[in-house]
Amino acid sequence: DAGVIQSPRHEVTEMGQEVTLRCKPISGHDYLFWYRQTMMRGLELLIYFNNNVPIDDSGMPEDRFSAKMPNASFSTLKIQPSEPRDSAVYFCASSSTSGGLNYNEQFFGPGTRLTVL
Amino acid sequence: DAKTTQPTSMDCAEGRAANLPCNHSTISGNEYVYWYRQIHSQGPQYIIHGLKNNETNEMASLIITEDRKSSTLILPHATLRDTAVYYCIVRAMNTGFQKLVFGTGTRLLVSP
Repeated sequence: DAGVIQSPRHEVTEMGQEVTLRCKPISGHDYLFWYRQTMMRGLELLIYFNNNVPIDDSGMPEDRFSAKMPNASFSTLKIQPSEPRDSAVYFCASSSTSGGLNYNEQFFGPGTRLTVL
Repeated sequence: DAKTTQPTSMDCAEGRAANLPCNHSTISGNEYVYWYRQIHSQGPQYIIHGLKNNETNEMASLIITEDRKSSTLILPHATLRDTAVYYCIVRAMNTGFQKLVFGTGTRLLVSP
């Protein structure tokens, strides 16, 4: 398996522009997570999905952020309009519960480094 | 989820054992201890988890005290590639509770 795939790996945009980050989870995984990492705030969970349904979006910072999972193999995180304080590394992760209650190791993608000028 | 406390940083010589402590004095009976690490510029990577018994896998060993209020992650023969930030996370285990809350972790530097 190729692991969790994220694109783009790097994104530089100007303030006010729309940014879309993409994630392909590991095939067969039923959970998908979006995290954001900054020096100031560390690694924060933004939102997670179970079977394509958003379960907890309490970490989404504000209405400028939205996430969708139209099918089991694709998710997007959109920022509109983007602001300089959104600059961070955004990670996508997936996990599976098919192995029973003890098996929910999260597999992380390589991240997207976003810079908003 | 119970809060964890870890040292900010630790050093280890290559080839020696690295012992990373974690305090989780408010852990509940149904909460597991998880360890992840994050190598520079990469996403976090799962290492190991346990409930109350000591655990070992190909990457590390996890020693949990009898009262479960603290644990130690052991890398038996640290290599330069083990330089990373190590996160200790405590969380309940059930299919409806998948969140991981990352703290600040311990920055381990393995030197030649």
